[in-house]
Amino acid sequence: DARVTQTPRHKVTEMGQEVTMRCQPILGHNTVFWYRQTMMQGLELLAYFRNRAPLDDSGMPKDRFSAEMPDATLATLKIQPSEPRDSAVYFCASGLGSSRGTQYFGPGTRLLVL
Amino acid sequence: GIQVEQSPPDLILQEGANSTLRCNFSDSVNNLQWFHQNPWGQLINLFYIPSGTKQNGRLSATTVATERYSLLYISSSQTTDSGVYFCAVDGGGSEKLVFGKGTKLTVNP
Repeated sequence: DARVTQTPRHKVTEMGQEVTMRCQPILGHNTVFWYRQTMMQGLELLAYFRNRAPLDDSGMPKDRFSAEMPDATLATLKIQPSEPRDSAVYFCASGLGSSRGTQYFGPGTRLLVL
Repeated sequence: GIQVEQSPPDLILQEGANSTLRCNFSDSVNNLQWFHQNPWGQLINLFYIPSGTKQNGRLSATTVATERYSLLYISSSQTTDSGVYFCAVDGGGSEKLVFGKGTKLTVNP
């Protein structure tokens, strides 16, 4: 049963600390998306990659967030330094590389920044 | 950018009842998906349905792309159907999914 995996599932950290979230897309999927869910903003796209290349990161605060795909099986989202307003659930999703395909979501990383 | 509106925002049903959830969108789309977010936060794909009609068990969905809306039907609802139902679309040539605010469904026994 192919699925997107994310680690860690929960993270509590203090303001100013670095946070790294990891995602393993479904094998064979070449498009990876990072979303954030908060009560106020709902679900919003932060960034996405095609064949490991970033295509759009306009939803991401550039000064503290960075997203990379070191290889086809790993995507990372890093926050440095973290702030309380970054507290949210971060979802990774993967798909087959066109806007006409289903995106499959991972279980999310629940981040709390104190 | 594209706007996505879902209605109703909240829905409370008794087990066994039927319901219809609506999603309106402001522009043409290549991708429309319905998701169920369960009480544990997991987003579960229900349908990929940029046009036409699909059925999966007690759930079915219809998208009328020319009129820019989609409907999700839940028949014979069960308590396990509780959660938030999201409609998400792309639009304007972008692959980004834009999510509606969701319909929170509560099914009481």
